[in-house]
Amino acid sequence: KNEVEQSPQNLTAQEGEFITINCSYSVGISALHWLQQHPGGGIVSLFMLSSGKKKHGRLIATINIQEKHSSLHITASHPRDSAVYICAVRDNNAGNMLTFGGGTRLMVKP
Amino acid sequence: GAGVSQSPSNKVTEKGKDVELRCDPISGHTALYWYRQRLGQGLEFLIYFQGNSAPDKSGLPSDRFSAERTGESVSTLTIQRTQQEDSAVYLCASSTSGTVNTEAFFGQGTRLTVV
Repeated sequence: KNEVEQSPQNLTAQEGEFITINCSYSVGISALHWLQQHPGGGIVSLFMLSSGKKKHGRLIATINIQEKHSSLHITASHPRDSAVYICAVRDNNAGNMLTFGGGTRLMVKP
Repeated sequence: GAGVSQSPSNKVTEKGKDVELRCDPISGHTALYWYRQRLGQGLEFLIYFQGNSAPDKSGLPSDRFSAERTGESVSTLTIQRTQQEDSAVYLCASSTSGTVNTEAFFGQGTRLTVV
């Protein structure tokens, strides 16, 4: 079993829909990152969380440390949000190494 | 520069040749990471540099892989005697420190194709 599991693996949505991407992990962590990978391969860091909730524009990220679960929400989705969204955790027992989920491929149709 | 810069952006090499990939981190960032992403797979950690400390090489897949970094500047990832399985996008990231609660900034990656 992978240490970091994301769901869904693939998601197609209509423009304007509210989107949720989930990340569950099985290890003790010190921080969780949400990353966005564009079709060309470039990666942008969206959020880094260790507790609670963060919001940036139409993006919201939440984390529940007790349940070992995080969600990334996109409100009023737009075709430009189409990308792969990756959850990554800093394992307490693995130094500074990030362990990555498999990614969620999102396509938002106009 | 404003962000993490990697070069080349694309590299095609023949099996058995050596390749060198370069990463210029954001100025002032003491921590530097190399990752790779093979086609259809997730990101894998390769190596981590923090200041002048000994690097964490625990992710390097074989002794054909090595990386260097001089101080807090440029890093080079070298792959010797490349194999087709080495084909991947190699990503570099840097952060202000190696502590767990600092954000990492990624470069655009180098797409390596071994033919």
